[in-house]
Amino acid sequence: TQLLEQSPQFLSIQEGENLTVYCNSSSVFSSLQWYRQEPGEGPVLLVTVVTGGEVKKLKRLTFQFGDARKDSSLHITAAQPGDTGLYLCAGRGGVYNTDKLIFGTGTRLQVFP
Amino acid sequence: DSGVTQTPKHLITATGQRVTLRCSPRSGDLSVYWYQQSLDQGLQFLIQYYNGEERAKGNILERFSAQQFPDLHSELNLSSLELGDSALYFCASSMGLKASGNTIYFGEGSWLTVV
Repeated sequence: TQLLEQSPQFLSIQEGENLTVYCNSSSVFSSLQWYRQEPGEGPVLLVTVVTGGEVKKLKRLTFQFGDARKDSSLHITAAQPGDTGLYLCAGRGGVYNTDKLIFGTGTRLQVFP
Repeated sequence: DSGVTQTPKHLITATGQRVTLRCSPRSGDLSVYWYQQSLDQGLQFLIQYYNGEERAKGNILERFSAQQFPDLHSELNLSSLELGDSALYFCASSMGLKASGNTIYFGEGSWLTVV
């Protein structure tokens, strides 16, 4: 059962464009993480958000946790080819009382020069 | 380099066979997690071990089993393999038992193809 839905599934844009990826769930999570996975590698943690409404910035990436801790977004400003990869959100804890990471469906981003 | 080592990187085997995937966690990490990543199912949690003991189970089939040894390395055993078991299998590790507050580091994965 997939608890976290990401949209869009695929995104293909030109260098310099802005984009937003959404991660939605009907469940509340204690925390939510964003990972980036490149071909031939495992997911790498980008950020963890814990508090409802929290906003974190990592250079050109802005992450927000929804007020109700059910959803999150990742906004990339002025995308670069190096941003290309699979972006995964992952929730932890919440009503399912689970400590394991539940991963989202993923958003595959391709940034063309 | 995450510090998590997985072998083999690629494996091709026939249906009905059995394979073992191996994982060495980062130095000092006591928790080991196994995940399966396929195109249609995404990244699915299979099982977690902490200091040799099973701590959490996810969508792991009965044909699959895992264990963590005293030296903390872990093995995932996949038996009676089916075509649908073809996937990328990731091992991840973290220092503590609870995922909260612990960064989980992923290996590069073992790519299993069942023919």
